[in-house]
Amino acid sequence: GNSVTQMEGPVTLSEEAFLTINCTYTATGYPSLFWYVQYPGEGLQLLLKATKADDKGSNKGFEATYRKETTSFHLEKGSVQVSDSAVYFCALRRGLTGGGNKLTFGTGTQLKVEL
Amino acid sequence: KAGVTQTPRYLIKTRGQQVTLSCSPISGHRSVSWYQQTPGQGLQFLFEYFSETQRNKGNFPGRFSGRQFSNSRSEMNVSTLELGDSALYLCASSIGSSNQPQHFGDGTRLSIL
Repeated sequence: GNSVTQMEGPVTLSEEAFLTINCTYTATGYPSLFWYVQYPGEGLQLLLKATKADDKGSNKGFEATYRKETTSFHLEKGSVQVSDSAVYFCALRRGLTGGGNKLTFGTGTQLKVEL
Repeated sequence: KAGVTQTPRYLIKTRGQQVTLSCSPISGHRSVSWYQQTPGQGLQFLFEYFSETQRNKGNFPGRFSGRQFSNSRSEMNVSTLELGDSALYLCASSIGSSNQPQHFGDGTRLSIL
C-alpha cells in the first residue's frame, strides 16, 4: 500500500538557519505530493504541492521538488523564522485513476525555531 | 470566502455514549473527507463523501459512520465510544476532482472520560 516516511523530530534551529525536512514515499502509479503545516490548536494548512515528477512546489519561501527516481519530496527553506515553528506533514494522494481524495500522511515533524 | 467549519470545537463524552460531529465545507466544494489525529497513530483517513455517496473508506470499525447531505455538509457519528476514540477529528473539503487540494477545518477535539 501507499506510505510516507518523514524524518523524526523535533528539529530545533536558530532563526535564519537553513531547513530541510526529509520525506520519502512508497506508492503505485503517479501520486500527487503535498506538504501541510499545523500550528497549535489549528487544523492543517496546505503549504505546497506537486502533481508530477520534477515539479517544484513553492510557497512562503518553502520549496519541495517531486523526485520520482528517489521517491522523495524533501521540504526546504533558506532562512527560517520563529513564526515557522509548527508541525509539518508530508502527504500523498493516489493518482487520477481511481484515486478519490484520500491522503496518506507521514508522522509529522515538529520544527522549533529559536532566536 | 468562508473556510471549512467544524462544530463543535470541543466535546467531552463518556464511554458507551455516541457522538455526532458536523462539517460545513467551503462553498462549491462537493468532496468532504474525515481524518482522525492522535499522538500515537498520527493522521488516519476515516472516509470520504462526494455528492452524498461514500467514495473511499479507511480501516476503522463500523462504529464510525458518516453521511453527506445535498448541500455537501457532512456529519460523522461514532457509537459506543471507547477511551481510544479520544482524538482530534479533522474534516477536509475539496472541489471534487483528484487534481485539487483539500482544505482543512480546525477540527473537533473529542475527549472520552
